[in-house]
Amino acid sequence: EVQLLESGGALVQPGGSLRLSCVASGFTLNTYAMSWVRQAPGKGLEWVSGISGRGGNTYYADSVKGRIIISRDDSKSTLYLQMNSLRAEDTAVYYCAKSVGSTSSVAIDFWGQGTLVTVSS
Amino acid sequence: AIRMTQSPSSFSASTGDRVNITCRASQGISVYLAWYQQKPGKAPKLLISAASTLQSGVPSRFSGSGSGTDFTLTINCLQSEDFATYFCHQYYTYPWTFGQGTKVETK
Repeated sequence: EVQLLESGGALVQPGGSLRLSCVASGFTLNTYAMSWVRQAPGKGLEWVSGISGRGGNTYYADSVKGRIIISRDDSKSTLYLQMNSLRAEDTAVYYCAKSVGSTSSVAIDFWGQGTLVTVSS
Repeated sequence: AIRMTQSPSSFSASTGDRVNITCRASQGISVYLAWYQQKPGKAPKLLISAASTLQSGVPSRFSGSGSGTDFTLTINCLQSEDFATYFCHQYYTYPWTFGQGTKVETK
C-alpha cells in the first residue's frame, strides 16, 4: 500500500527557513517522479517543485525559484523540501505527491495528507 | 506558464443531475490533463488521467473528454458523495499548473 507521510510544517517568521520531509512507503522512491504541491487556506492548488525518478532532475515554480530546494534520500525513502527566505504568501498546506511514472509527462496519482506551513510574525 | 481556466467556479446541483465541468488551456497540451476531486480537509484524489482514462476504483459515472486546449469532466447521475471541489491539472510541461477549481454544491 502506497503511503506518503509529510512532516516539518510549523509557524515560522518571515525570512525564516523550514525543511519539510515526506516518508514514502509501498513503492521505491527513486523510480517515480515526485512533487510538492501547496494549497493556501481556502485557495486552489499550486505546484511548487518536482524531481524526476531516475536521474533526479529538479524543477521549480517561478514563485519559489531560488528560495526552495527539492531533494530526496533514497536510502531513507524520503523526499525533502528545503524552504528559505519564507514569505507570508508561502503560507499553505504542503502536499507531497507521487506521479504515475518516472518522467514529467505523467499525472500525480497519490497525495499525502499534507503539512501546514504558516509564515507570520 | 500554461494557464488553466475552469468553468464554472461553482454551481449548485441535485443528486441525479448530469454535471459538466470544463477546463481550457492557454496553449495545446495534447491529452496531458488530469482531473482531481477534493473534499474539505482532505488531499486531492485522482479521478482521470490522460484526459479520458478513468483511474482504477473510480465510479464509471465519471468520464473525461477533450484534447489540445479544451477538456470536459462529466459526472452522470450525481451522487451525494460527489459534492466536492474538482481541479484540472496539466502535466504537459513544467511548470505544472492547475485550474482554479470548481465547487459542486448541493442545491
